[in-house]
Amino acid sequence: ERVVESGGGLVQPGGSLRLSCEGSGFTFSGYSLNWVRQAPGKGLEWISYIDSTSFAKYYADSVKGRFTISRDNAKNSLYLQMNSLRAEDTALFYCARGKGDGRYAFDIWGQGTMVAVSS
Amino acid sequence: EIVLTQSPGTLSLSPGERATLSCRASQTVSSFYLAWYQQKPGQAPRLLIYGASSRATGIPDRFSGSGSGTDFTLTISRLEPEDFALYYCQQYVSSPYTFGQGTKLEIK
Repeated sequence: ERVVESGGGLVQPGGSLRLSCEGSGFTFSGYSLNWVRQAPGKGLEWISYIDSTSFAKYYADSVKGRFTISRDNAKNSLYLQMNSLRAEDTALFYCARGKGDGRYAFDIWGQGTMVAVSS
Repeated sequence: EIVLTQSPGTLSLSPGERATLSCRASQTVSSFYLAWYQQKPGQAPRLLIYGASSRATGIPDRFSGSGSGTDFTLTISRLEPEDFALYYCQQYVSSPYTFGQGTKLEIK
């Protein structure tokens, strides 16, 4: 059971980026998923949640209106579309699986993909 | 938003000692929705405890969680060298699913 993130990189302020997370070794469509970020030298910040059917989506206030979470269960993939990026969005972005579908602790984490916002 | 405050910020202990880490919530959190994670440098977080007191798969029994309401505790009964790391609590009862600021467990 694993998840692997991709899509990070260097982007200018105001730019956009789309992160992806591919799951394997488990029934992807049966679990909720989350994005969590960690700025360099800082703690963990939960960013967004999506349930198994994409019915429920939640966001942290810091990204609401700028980031959009989505998933494609047929492709075992989770996405994070990030628009209007700011310097303070610079962080390592983790994909994390909930232990079930709904409000669950995060039992599977990827190694993260780095996003740097700078001119 | 539920704010989680962890204490102490840094805990200095020796291998073999007992570690007690605290997590206090700004409002009541159902025990079903409180988790603890361990993070080592350069690694992703690892789930240790969920539902306040249930150990995740593969977690040694020296790790235990307890508490209810607004006060939760992670206890490591006898520290092993590999236990020195950062520890975070998290609530997932309501969005935003906040984390505490972390406790650094360092070797004395």
